[in-house]
Amino acid sequence: EAQVTQNPRYLITVTGKKLTVTCSQNMNHEYMSWYRQDPGLGLRQIYYSMNVEVTDKGDVPEGYKVSRKEKRNFPLILESPSPNQTSLYFCASGRPNTGELFFGEGSRLTVL
Amino acid sequence: KQEVTQIPAALSVPEGENLVLNCSFTDSAIYNLQWFRQDPGKGLTSLLLIQSSQREQTSGRLNASLDKSSGRSTLYIAASQPGDSATYLCAVHDNRLAFGKGNQVVVIP
Repeated sequence: EAQVTQNPRYLITVTGKKLTVTCSQNMNHEYMSWYRQDPGLGLRQIYYSMNVEVTDKGDVPEGYKVSRKEKRNFPLILESPSPNQTSLYFCASGRPNTGELFFGEGSRLTVL
Repeated sequence: KQEVTQIPAALSVPEGENLVLNCSFTDSAIYNLQWFRQDPGKGLTSLLLIQSSQREQTSGRLNASLDKSSGRSTLYIAASQPGDSATYLCAVHDNRLAFGKGNQVVVIP
């Protein structure tokens, strides 16, 4: 089954404790991306990757890091989480030009 | 920077009525425009994609139009059903993917 898998789905952590949200896709897509969704602000792109070892900042990259060492995985790293990073995070993969874009189920992160 | 606006933010309609959802964007130099559906607490599901060279796309009861010169797209859902209740998101691709804040739809049985 074609899917984008995010882990963890739910996480409560404390300020400053490094965490990683993993994202994996099994569709051999070159394009992968991370978004955060906040009430009243909608979906905002954090980082995206057009291919292995190629990553670019989206609209709200501050406080986040990503890596793309292999095609199927695109982890989102919060080196020192802060409460303003409490949000619902989505990973997506696909080929945006053709409309083939698949989203994960989301990871709800709370930073205390 | 691309700005995407969706109006209305929320609407309720009785079952059977046609739904009209609007999306506007500020920069017409786009590759394509997509409409997504999001159910509460879930990810996004792609509904329709319109390439920049196209005027509309249809899938079943759904029809989306694109007027690139005026920076507008409209999603029509014919004969709405309670199962159509969801948030509908418009996304514009121009190097990045910029989303609107969504139209939250409730179809009343």
